[in-house]
Amino acid sequence: QSALTQPRSVSGSPGQSVTISCTGTSSDVGGYNYVSWYQQHPGKAPKLMIYDVSKRPSGVPDRFSGSKSGNTASLTISGLQAEDEADYYCCSYAGRNTWVFGGGTKLTVL
Amino acid sequence: EVQLLESGGGLVQPGGSLRLSCAASGFTFSNYAMSWVRQAPGKGLEWVSGISGSGGSTNYADSVRGRFTISRDNSKNTLFLQMNSLRAEDTAVYYCAQTLWGGMDVWGQGTTVTVSS
Repeated sequence: QSALTQPRSVSGSPGQSVTISCTGTSSDVGGYNYVSWYQQHPGKAPKLMIYDVSKRPSGVPDRFSGSKSGNTASLTISGLQAEDEADYYCCSYAGRNTWVFGGGTKLTVL
Repeated sequence: EVQLLESGGGLVQPGGSLRLSCAASGFTFSNYAMSWVRQAPGKGLEWVSGISGSGGSTNYADSVRGRFTISRDNSKNTLFLQMNSLRAEDTAVYYCAQTLWGGMDVWGQGTTVTVSS
């Protein structure tokens, strides 16, 4: 149950695109199409942004997109806005009804 | 409105016990698996435990197995986490979350557990 690997921080200017990577193993990210992404603002509960690798819950802007290749999943945010500044976490199903999160990435909008 | 509301957090001494609750409303509770996820101060999210909709299947992270017990009362739409033999490293905000294979869609606001002498 090792945490998935994410960059500690990324940044971008308003209007730009950023991509956050999430690397696991064939036992989690690579083994299932059950990767999700969460946005967390300071002092708030996490919010689901992407599920099943690339699906968006209702209400999540289409500026947010997800993908996966092998053992690495990615979250891309296009048209960056100030309110996107937050911590982002990936999560993967890891088999036997267990889940594993990434260490989190702090997104700064310059 | 779909809602989860945690309670039961507080200050406890090392080696002590605490029972967290999570009251669900706005959805058919028994149809969904549920998880507890925690976040230590300044740290990332950690999946702690999960339970099937019926309560017949439970699972734990290695860090809490043997010390924590997850359960649910579907007649009262409530999820529980019994935490025994608490350690300083269990200090965290504990969230309950409605859990699907591909993601955790609904989260509570969290309840804070502090383990300290």
